[in-house]
Amino acid sequence: GAVVSQHPSWVICKSGTSVKIECRSLDFQATTMFWYRQFPKQSLMLMATSNEGSKATYEQGVEKDKFLINHASLTLSTLTVTSAHPEDSSFYICSATVGGELFFGEGSRLTVL
Amino acid sequence: QKEVEQNSGPLSVPEGAIASLNCTYSDRGSQSFFWYRQYSGKSPELIMFIYSNGDKEDGRFTAQLNKASQYVSLLIRDSQPSDSATYLCAVRSGNEKLTFGTGTRLTIIP
Repeated sequence: GAVVSQHPSWVICKSGTSVKIECRSLDFQATTMFWYRQFPKQSLMLMATSNEGSKATYEQGVEKDKFLINHASLTLSTLTVTSAHPEDSSFYICSATVGGELFFGEGSRLTVL
Repeated sequence: QKEVEQNSGPLSVPEGAIASLNCTYSDRGSQSFFWYRQYSGKSPELIMFIYSNGDKEDGRFTAQLNKASQYVSLLIRDSQPSDSATYLCAVRSGNEKLTFGTGTRLTIIP
């Protein structure tokens, strides 16, 4: 079946540094991928839609200059959290749609000290 | 603003009983409805999806959709301790984006 893989699964960084999270579709081509963020005991909130070969579409309230999304190929989308701060600590999850079903990556837990 | 509402729980159900999870949504144009299970610290995994009014059964799981009442539910029969998780209702309205509810935390009591 379709598999979406994320890396790293967890990362700890110092405040002010940048962190890159990769999302790969392993056995299918994904022209569109979605990036979600989930704070503890809260639901998934869509951050942005990543479009292969074009700019990402950000949801209202999400800073595009802080959360850089690159979708340079049909199997890879990256999310870079720039100048991370403790309030950016969260669970970041990517996903892709195949046949109308949304498949999630394993998620990446970011902790900013 | 499109909303998906769920009772956050926790919902406690004895092992072997039926667990009933409910979800309401605000957008009448919603077309697709999904139930995801999320274990603590893990990403969601799809349990079922339903597009048409009525019931859809898959093993111990039954999804029920009532578009007139803007209501979708998930029934889990013969509940097992491994069913203990947070269950997320998600709704899609035409495009590929899903709107998620806040989830219901289910605990199956042995």
